[in-house]
Amino acid sequence: ELKVEQNPLFLSMQEGKNYTIYCNYSTTSDRLYWYRQDPGKSLESLFVLLSNGAVKQEGRLMASLDTKARLSTLHITAAVHDLSATYFCAVDIEAPPAGVGSARQLTFGSGTQLTVLP
Amino acid sequence: DAGVIQSPRHEVTEMGQEVTLRCKPISGHNSLFWYRQTMMRGLELLIYFNNNVPIDDSGMPEDRFSAKMPNASFSTLKIQPSEPRDSAVYFCASSFQLSDGLNQPQHFGDGTRLSIL
Repeated sequence: ELKVEQNPLFLSMQEGKNYTIYCNYSTTSDRLYWYRQDPGKSLESLFVLLSNGAVKQEGRLMASLDTKARLSTLHITAAVHDLSATYFCAVDIEAPPAGVGSARQLTFGSGTQLTVLP
Repeated sequence: DAGVIQSPRHEVTEMGQEVTLRCKPISGHNSLFWYRQTMMRGLELLIYFNNNVPIDDSGMPEDRFSAKMPNASFSTLKIQPSEPRDSAVYFCASSFQLSDGLNQPQHFGDGTRLSIL
């Protein structure tokens, strides 16, 4: 069974500081997603990482993927209050095996609740 | 461009009643997913469809839950009879699965906040 573990689960940080959220997973996958969820809202796709060594950046967020280590990171640079949200990583696996009518599904981590303090 | 549309946004009902949640995926998407989110269990995949066919329903908690996708633009998740422990936010998501089997990012609806009293 695929396990996806994020840490930390809760993170309070001061504005202007840097920090990294980690996402470890237990099985082979070369596709990983990061999502953001604001309180009471839906999930918004942030990044799609498609291969080993992939790095994507958007504003103050940068995501990377190391498929050999089964690790993805979401790095926050010079945090601002607007980044306060819950961040989820999700690993894309093939289940059941490929064939007619098959599809891939996501397994989500528990989420990291980020609070950026003024 | 309309996203994934879910209805109702909120539902409050008494234990034992039937609950039906609805989802309209993004036009052109061929994969549809139902998730449940709670504080205790996080985000759980309940069932997913590919080309309107249920592929894996192993996440459905028990026989009280059922899901259908009669056509490419509509899906329902039904709970009958409902119980207080079913209270959660239920999300529907859709994506496009490429010919190599890989999915584009899933787009989520706004969710249905369900409260069973």
